[in-house]
Amino acid sequence: LAKTTQPISMDSYEGQEVNITCSHNNIATNDYITWYQQFPSQGPRFIIQGYKTKVTNEVASLFIPADRKSSTLSLPRVSLSDTAVYYCLVGSPWSYIPTFGRGTSLIVHP
Amino acid sequence: DVKVTQSSRYLVKRTGEKVFLECVQDMDHENMFWYRQDPGLGLRLIYFSYDVKMKEKGDIPEGYSVSREKKERFSLILESASTNQTSMYLCASSRIDRLYSNQPQHFGDGTRLSIL
Repeated sequence: LAKTTQPISMDSYEGQEVNITCSHNNIATNDYITWYQQFPSQGPRFIIQGYKTKVTNEVASLFIPADRKSSTLSLPRVSLSDTAVYYCLVGSPWSYIPTFGRGTSLIVHP
Repeated sequence: DVKVTQSSRYLVKRTGEKVFLECVQDMDHENMFWYRQDPGLGLRLIYFSYDVKMKEKGDIPEGYSVSREKKERFSLILESASTNQTSMYLCASSRIDRLYSNQPQHFGDGTRLSIL
């Protein structure tokens, strides 16, 4: 299973764009990259998923370079409510075992 | 919207007790998972199940067992609770789609279990 490495914590201010990078050097050909968000006292919530290039939805964008050894979650114009822990996962459709890791704790300041 | 319901938000038990944590999902998902979450360690997978009566060990199965008698229900059992099992327990479910992307997991809000 491909392991992931993320920064433990990040700080930002309201209105800024935040980019969280995840390293996954051993990603396999069939692996997808998935990001989750977790608020205190809640379970994680799916944000976005991608395989290559760029994916965008109403919440975030996901940038994946050609070699796929890393990916970047981009949150545009963050607000205080984006303060949460963000997890990056990699896995294939044939792998039932997702590995969450420790995630990145994002704190957004006023 | 998928709903994953865990039977208790908070639970206090004593050392040596047999503890049952229940999880129910309402979207007919094939996969169900049990995690524990501890400060600084992220989410660690205890067990998962991809079908009724099927189970697979995750990263930390020691001291736990699971039961899946019906598709919508997945139970985590602490056979003899110990203080080091004090933690937040999270249940999740997901659909199987072998052809395309990993289907997202849908989580419950967790059970905070304290073993005294």
